[in-house]
Amino acid sequence: DIQMTQSPSSLSASVGDRVTITCRASQSISSYLNWYQQKPGKAPKLLIYAASSLQSGVPSRFSGSGSGTDFTLTISSLQPEDFATYYCQQSYSTHFTFGPGTKVDIK
Amino acid sequence: QVQLVQSGAEVKKPGASVKVSCKASGYTFTGYYMHWVRQAPGQGLEWMGRINPNSGGTNYAQKFQGRVTMTRDTSISTAYMELSRLRSDDTAVYYCARESTKMGTVTTSLVDYWGQGTLVTVSS
Repeated sequence: DIQMTQSPSSLSASVGDRVTITCRASQSISSYLNWYQQKPGKAPKLLIYAASSLQSGVPSRFSGSGSGTDFTLTISSLQPEDFATYYCQQSYSTHFTFGPGTKVDIK
Repeated sequence: QVQLVQSGAEVKKPGASVKVSCKASGYTFTGYYMHWVRQAPGQGLEWMGRINPNSGGTNYAQKFQGRVTMTRDTSISTAYMELSRLRSDDTAVYYCARESTKMGTVTTSLVDYWGQGTLVTVSS
């Protein structure tokens, strides 16, 4: 199976900060990369699909980039509701795999 | 509106089996793959496998091969995930999740709807 890694595993940031999370695949996955946000006790929510397309209803402060093996999720100006855990997920293979997650908390 | 409603929490002893159900509504059940994803307490998301509700065909993560069985009953739009030979480290919230496709840079598969999750606790 394709392995996914994320960095950092956690970060502390303030409201208004620009936040960048990195995801790496163990092999090239083209742009078959999605990003999800999960809050405690809730199911994940789709933010970005196909590496850079914004899911309907998701604020434009979220953006994604990358292709091949290296991908980035950026939050341009962190808002209070953005404190959560973020996961990347590859769909290049029918065996979906998720990254280990990046927890964003309040500094 | 699309809804995935899962069965309630379960407590099982080590070595037992558990079967979780996921009832779909608001869309054509046989038109979308259904995935199962689990999350141990304080841990990340772990993909277990998926089922094609139309054909019944399955793909399982290697880690769960031989222990997991995914089935469906199209007459009641319900998917099932059964996990056998339970261990304490199988304690987790189990989610069903609908696969869809969207066109961006590529036409990608993704999860667009999730069930509410079912807590399975394995304890002696």
